[in-house]
Order: sequence, then C-alpha cells, then structure tokens
Amino acid sequence: AQKVTQAQTEISVVEKEDVTLDCVYETRDTTYYLFWYKQPPSGELVFLIRRNSFDEQNEISGRYSWNFQKSTSSFNFTITASQVVDSAVYFCALSDSYSGGGADGLTFGKGTHLIIQP
Amino acid sequence: DVKVTQSSRYLVKRTGEKVFLECVQDMDHENMFWYRQDPGLGLRLIYFSYDVKMKEKGDIPEGYSVSREKKERFSLILESASTNQTSMYLCASSFLSSYNSPLHFGNGTRLTVT
Repeated sequence: AQKVTQAQTEISVVEKEDVTLDCVYETRDTTYYLFWYKQPPSGELVFLIRRNSFDEQNEISGRYSWNFQKSTSSFNFTITASQVVDSAVYFCALSDSYSGGGADGLTFGKGTHLIIQP
Repeated sequence: DVKVTQSSRYLVKRTGEKVFLECVQDMDHENMFWYRQDPGLGLRLIYFSYDVKMKEKGDIPEGYSVSREKKERFSLILESASTNQTSMYLCASSFLSSYNSPLHFGNGTRLTVT
C-alpha cells in the first residue's frame, strides 16, 4: 500500500544552519509523483515542488534543494542557511493510482515541524 | 494565482448541531477535496469530488457528507457534530489530470465542537 513516512516529528535549529527534512515513501506504482508542501502558522498549505518518478535529477531553488533517490525510496528536502521565516510544518506527499481513492488524491506524511531559532 | 477560499477561519459549534463548511475556488478546477488535519495524524482525506454532483469517499468519511451543486463550490456537512470532529479542516482543488496536478489549499477552518 502507498505510504509516506516523515520520521522527524520536530526539528529545531539555529538560524543560518542547514537542515534536511527526510521523506520515505512506499508505492506499488512505477509511475508516481512526489510533492512537498509548506504550512506556515497562517495555516495554508503552500505547494513547493513536484517530482515525477522518472526524473531523479536533484532540484535547487534558491536556498531549497531536493534529493530524490529511487533506490532508497526517499525524497529529502534541504534548506540551506535557514531563516526564521522558514519555520513551518513541512509535508511530503505521494500521488499514484492508489492514492486517496482516486487518481488525483494525495497521500501525506504526518509532517515535520521545523523551528528556526534566531 | 489560484484562490481557494474557506468561508470561516474559526467555528465553535455545540454537540449535535448541523455544521456546514464552505469552500470556493476560482480556477475552474474539476477536482475538490476535503481533508482534516490533526496533531500526530497529518492530513486525512474525508471526501473528494471530480465533477458537479459527484462525490467519492476518502479515508475517513464517517460522520460527514458533502455537496457539490456548482463546479466552484464544495461543501462539507457534519450532520450531527461530535467532539471528536474538533479539528482543522482544509479544502483543496486541482485540475483533473493523471495524478500529477498539485493541490491548491485554502487557509483552513478550525472547528471546535463543545
């Protein structure tokens, strides 16, 4: 069955440190999509990135980078030189043909609460 | 930008009341979803809809129903609210596609049932 595991419930670092959020997934599909969302204290989930199962290239967007490794079924998220505004709950999610009872549902991990201390 | 609007940010209701949570999106998305978010449990799918008047059960539909009379509006209904339905409720929408369309979320409604 499809599953997304974010083993880190909460991470606390001091500003300017680098931090990596782990995400491990399980799926029976060979074609699937992985997502990361950010939920700041305001509550709205903000879409950060989508990656399909055939593209294992790492992605970098400013201070954010993502490492997708099919061999370990992982899609980890790294924030470089963290800032207080990065404090949020981060969710990893999977979409495959078994997710959510329909092709467009997402299976979410339980989230990692990231705290950046000034 | 996609806008998903949930009518209430905070709601307090009494046990046994009928509760309506409203969600409207302005991007002509076919898909709409209702999730609930609880500490330690993450997001769980309650119901979703691919089209007007269509609905499908998610992972935790018990105690809930939905209504989609217009494409842009998706309502979540608690027929008789109970304290275990105290939660954050998140509405989302997306285009109908082969599971690669990201979901766009509203700000959430924090419901307290006393």
